[in-house]
Amino acid sequence: DGGITQSPKYLFRKEGQNVTLSCEQNLNHDAMYWYRQDPGQGLRLIYYSQIVNDFQKGDIAEGYSVSREKKESFPLTVTSAQKNPTAFYLCASSTSLGLAGGISSYNEQFFGPGTRLTVL
Amino acid sequence: QKEVEQNSGPLSVPEGAIASLNCTYSDRGSQSFFWYRQYSGKSPELIMFIYSNGDKEDGRFTAQLNKASQYVSLLIRDSQPSDSATYLCAVNSPINQYSGYSTLTFGKGTMLLVSP
Repeated sequence: DGGITQSPKYLFRKEGQNVTLSCEQNLNHDAMYWYRQDPGQGLRLIYYSQIVNDFQKGDIAEGYSVSREKKESFPLTVTSAQKNPTAFYLCASSTSLGLAGGISSYNEQFFGPGTRLTVL
Repeated sequence: QKEVEQNSGPLSVPEGAIASLNCTYSDRGSQSFFWYRQYSGKSPELIMFIYSNGDKEDGRFTAQLNKASQYVSLLIRDSQPSDSATYLCAVNSPINQYSGYSTLTFGKGTMLLVSP
């Protein structure tokens, strides 16, 4: 079955620790994304990647880092510099980034099941 | 600053009624619009997308788009208790003024409660 997997489902971190969240997809998608969701809030974009070995900061990248060494994998590291990391983290993928403007800007994103991170 | 606005709700409707969920967006250049459903503690799943003005129907769901008013809505007919969830509106927006690419900007979602 094609899809996106994230692990672990739940993660607990002590203050000052770095933790890495896994995201793997077998949909053959070029673009991958990381979002953060806080209670009662929408999704906020952390990082996105259009292609292997390339990634860009989203709206809230401070305190996070990513890598894209393989097309299928886009791990997210939450560093100790992230002041309030407790949240629900969602990984998504799409065939490509959309094009700005024009009818071809359709770019449906598919989501993984998420990782809930709690800082103790 | 690209913005997508939704009423946070909760929107409460009785079983069998029509639920109407609304969304407005700020970027006139947006061309594609998506509705995702998110159950509590789960990840969002796509319900519908629309990119032409007018209505698009899929089963009990109808998406409506009015680009002149920068307004998109989702109607759910014959609402069921299993429809109780948060509905996220997402709009395709340019990543920034320099990039020729776009990604999705999400609203905060509207919680729908369907009572038996």
